[in-house]
Amino acid sequence: IAGITQAPTSQILAAGRRMTLRCTQDMRHNAMYWYRQDLGLGLRLIHYSNTAGTTGKGEVPDGYSVSRANTDDFPLTLASAVPSQTSVYFCASSDGTSGTGELFFGEGSRLTVL
Amino acid sequence: GQNIDQPTEMTATEGAIVQINCTYQTSGFNGLFWYQQHAGEAPTFLSYNVLDGLEEKGRFSSFLSRSKGYSYLLLKELQMKDSASYLCAPMDSNYQLIWGAGTKLIIKP
Repeated sequence: IAGITQAPTSQILAAGRRMTLRCTQDMRHNAMYWYRQDLGLGLRLIHYSNTAGTTGKGEVPDGYSVSRANTDDFPLTLASAVPSQTSVYFCASSDGTSGTGELFFGEGSRLTVL
Repeated sequence: GQNIDQPTEMTATEGAIVQINCTYQTSGFNGLFWYQQHAGEAPTFLSYNVLDGLEEKGRFSSFLSRSKGYSYLLLKELQMKDSASYLCAPMDSNYQLIWGAGTKLIIKP
């Protein structure tokens, strides 16, 4: 693999179910991010991690959790999905603990919660 | 509060020039990014400005005026493949990107 890989690319989920979106990068970037993108709105940051072992809350963290056990992986978990979490989710990474470098994005995960 | 303002949609003709404007208000400033996003795809990096002035990169140029909270992306010799959304994203004092909703650019033959 090269760059950032997200899985699944698309998922339909019943409300109340637990779901984990996977994100793996092979660029050894320190910083990783999860965004959601909804029609008519800018990308909104859910959670971020400046380096392995640390995470932080973004603009819209409620209902989501993340972990950063190692440099490469940054999974996003919806503990109990709700319809308002229907969105396209992008994982991204950047080279630099302060996130000053350009972001590299995964291809996105389209999630529909019914 | 933090705010990004860019036109929702623009139309231009193949071979022409188009300028996409972006005004912003952020808590602190650590540069401004422009990204391109084709429909159904991930955003990809176009440019980064941290100092005032024009940065040219092939057919694309980006301008920044920090005192005016203003940037623009200039696309020359438009091609059909330039049909996409263009996202303006300044970086605030916490090094977090603040994303605009994007400008959908439609190129007509």
